[in-house]
Amino acid sequence: KAGVTQTPRYLIKTRGQQVTLSCSPISGHRSVSWYQQTPGQGLQFLFEYFSETQRNKGNFPGRFSGRQFSNSRSEMNVSTLELGDSALYLCASSLPGDIQYFGAGTRLSVL
Amino acid sequence: SQQGEEDPQALSIQEGENATMNCSYKTSINNLQWYRQNSGRGLVHLILIRSNEREKHSGRLRVTLDTSKKSSSLLITASRAADTASYFCATHEDYNQGGKLIFGQGTELSVKP
Repeated sequence: KAGVTQTPRYLIKTRGQQVTLSCSPISGHRSVSWYQQTPGQGLQFLFEYFSETQRNKGNFPGRFSGRQFSNSRSEMNVSTLELGDSALYLCASSLPGDIQYFGAGTRLSVL
Repeated sequence: SQQGEEDPQALSIQEGENATMNCSYKTSINNLQWYRQNSGRGLVHLILIRSNEREKHSGRLRVTLDTSKKSSSLLITASRAADTASYFCATHEDYNQGGKLIFGQGTELSVKP
């Protein structure tokens, strides 16, 4: 069974641009969660999608958004990038009430 | 927001020794989980302990949970160089929170051959 796949693995953007990250969950998993990891703030929850609906949202500005498609694949978008958005973005998928399986992450650098 | 503290922040030991990491949290939880992360890559799930459990074993891992003190510990016995990684505790507050996990700051473990 394939694991959680995140694309791209690395991304370099400049301030003010926008970016879209993609996550393909494990087959059969309908819950997808996104996390941001930075050296200063650690691992922080961004949002969770289940059956194409946002079920949970962390404390991030509206520049951070996401969506989930009918095949459970999810994307997250960050608009008007800031230097502080440089981070490792992790996606996780799970069955209801089960443990989360994480992808390898997308490392975003904002210059 | 972070759930709490992990202690120590960094730990360096020799192969064969045991490693103990502690985690404290702030709110009532449904379960507590431990994850490992190798050098800025994805997280690997290690073990889950439910709020009504006090101790759980998995291979060389032993996890304890004390809900009265809101704390947990992870013990890795007979450590190996391959155990070198960052270890995070994560709490799941209740089923209504869906998949939301709240992570600790992590313990960086270095196991020297």
